[in-house]
Amino acid sequence: NAGVTQTPKFQVLKTGQSMTLQCAQDMNHEYMSWYRQDPGMGLRLIHYSVGAGITDQGEVPNGYNVSRSTTEDFPLRLLSAAPSQTSVYFCASSIGPPNTYNEQFFGPGTRLTVL
Amino acid sequence: AQKITQTQPGMFVQEKEAVTLDCTYDTSDPSYGLFWYKQPSSGEMIFLIYQGSYDQQNATEGRYSLNFQKARKSANLVISASQLGDSAMYFCAIPGVGGATNKLIFGTGTLLAVQP
Repeated sequence: NAGVTQTPKFQVLKTGQSMTLQCAQDMNHEYMSWYRQDPGMGLRLIHYSVGAGITDQGEVPNGYNVSRSTTEDFPLRLLSAAPSQTSVYFCASSIGPPNTYNEQFFGPGTRLTVL
Repeated sequence: AQKITQTQPGMFVQEKEAVTLDCTYDTSDPSYGLFWYKQPSSGEMIFLIYQGSYDQQNATEGRYSLNFQKARKSANLVISASQLGDSAMYFCAIPGVGGATNKLIFGTGTLLAVQP
């Protein structure tokens, strides 16, 4: 049981490049989320999914796309990287929504720098 | 809208002493929960403790306990007998309401440094 895994751990991009951050979980969780963490701020939700085939926007979705073709995987795509997307990205999963006692399990994070 | 406030950007505590990390919140949801997470320098987010708004007693998990004062809308984390390994960022979080129930709203965090 690996929990939530994210790849890569570190990435440097040039402005305008695209890439995909990978996230996978092996706990059969329906809920998966992507957050970004910036200095002096808490985590902010980018996109989330409540099950395979269902995704929705969080509070900072611009510049990012997601898809959920399987329960296990929830990749985050940066369409055209910008310096404002320099951040640490966390993927999280839980059995149910976090409005009840459903612990969110976080991946180790991906540190992205856009030059 | 939900709001979480952590007013202590950083704190020091001596090893083996207790420390209280403040968290106040605002919510329109009559039934809610509060989460505390720890983020060590290695970067991962570690769930510490949860308090439900209708729980009769303050939550405790080992050396972690919550001083939950519902009327004051505060849920302070108390760490007893601090250890060097407790040095980390600590985040308080609350679920969204209405159309935002599928997310946690995080405070800005408190950086705790435990001194030997």
